[in-house]
Parts: sequence; structure tokens; C-alpha cells
Amino acid sequence: QSVLTQPPSASGTPGQRVTISCSGSSSNIATNAVNWYQQLPGTAPKLLIYRNNQRPSGVPDRFSGSKSGTTASLAISGLQPEDEADYYCAAWDDSLTGQGLFGGGTKLTVL
Amino acid sequence: QVQLVQSGAKEAKPGASVTVSCNVSGYTFTTYYIHWVRQAPGQGLEWMGWINPNRGATKVAQKFQGRVTMIRDTSLTTAYMEVSRLTSDDTAVYYCARSVYQVQLDYWGQGTLVTVSS
Repeated sequence: QSVLTQPPSASGTPGQRVTISCSGSSSNIATNAVNWYQQLPGTAPKLLIYRNNQRPSGVPDRFSGSKSGTTASLAISGLQPEDEADYYCAAWDDSLTGQGLFGGGTKLTVL
Repeated sequence: QVQLVQSGAKEAKPGASVTVSCNVSGYTFTTYYIHWVRQAPGQGLEWMGWINPNRGATKVAQKFQGRVTMIRDTSLTTAYMEVSRLTSDDTAVYYCARSVYQVQLDYWGQGTLVTVSS
């Protein structure tokens, strides 16, 4: 069971806006940067959002990230069929000796 | 261009050890930490630890301490991760990834499937 909690699934129709949440705690999301990854079937994860709300070069501006307190969110607007993938949040956790954490992942289905 | 190229798929028996390599190119090896992440079949991503290629310092997730060793060879620009005392639960795809900051992992290897079976 992940310390970062994501809904296991989400869905939307083409053109819609979808939001995926990532709930953590004071030792991770509240105090450290949140990153989001997109993983297409059979491929390595790809960095989608870094430092809460920054997009790497090449990532469409349809993808956006935000954070408030112990919860982060990934929003995808203008949903497209190729957005169907697994999405993971990740953050550093300062508890104990410190470690990286991933959320359990959210499977996004484009209907 | 930045590339992380991992070793090929491996099979191992329960109780044995396995080593996965991650050869990097396209940037200065000692400038960025290398993280290791694994993904069991049909499951999510699991962070395992990092190595600082400059000094060789490592941090291993508490769950894997005592069983996972990370080293590097700067002359070969390669990072290695050994997992010992394997069980069937260690069957997974193992990824190496370059870290810019904490778990901001901007480039990933292609993954190495490790299958543990008797």
C-alpha cells in the first residue's frame, strides 16, 4: 500500500478535462516537490510534470500540475485517445532516513 | 543525446543474486544521481534507492536494506544494482533513471526484466 494515495482509475471522453489526485502527508507532499509520470503500456515511465507544476520540454500544455497542502493534482484538458495510460505521482519523503515514494498509479481510460 | 541502456533480461533461482547494469551516455556521468525503480507484473512503481556516481554514496529504501547493493564504475559510466536472496516477489522490471532533484527522474533506461523461478 503506497503512502501516496491515488485513485486506481479515471476516465473521460475525448475533449473532456480529467483530474487525478495524489494524497500524501506533511513529510512528503507538503514539504517536497511533486512529480508526475506517464507510462504507456510496455514502456518506461516518462516525466510529465516536475516540481509540482512545471512541464518538461515537449509535454503539451494540456497537462498541468498543482499542489495544495498534502494533496497534489494532475489535470489533463482536451483529453485525447493517446492520453490513455497509467499516471503516477512521486515525491520525496522526509520521515525516517528519507526515501522516494510513488503513488499507486491511476489507470486513465479514454472512452 | 542522453541515453541509459540497461542489461538484458535475466533469470535467477530463489535464493540467488542478480545484477542489473545501467550504462549512461550523452552527459557527464558524475553530475546526476542514478535512481533504481522496479515494477512487478501488473503493479505500480516502487522506488529502491539511489547512487551518487561522483562519490559512490548510496541510499537504499528501508525495505531493501541489507539485500540491495548499488555501485558504479566511473570509467565505464555504468551503474550497477545487485539484489540478493531473491524470491518470487522480486520478479519485476527494474529501471534505472537519472535524477535532477529528489525523484524528478528525467531520463529512464528501457528496463530489465528479472524473473525469479525455480
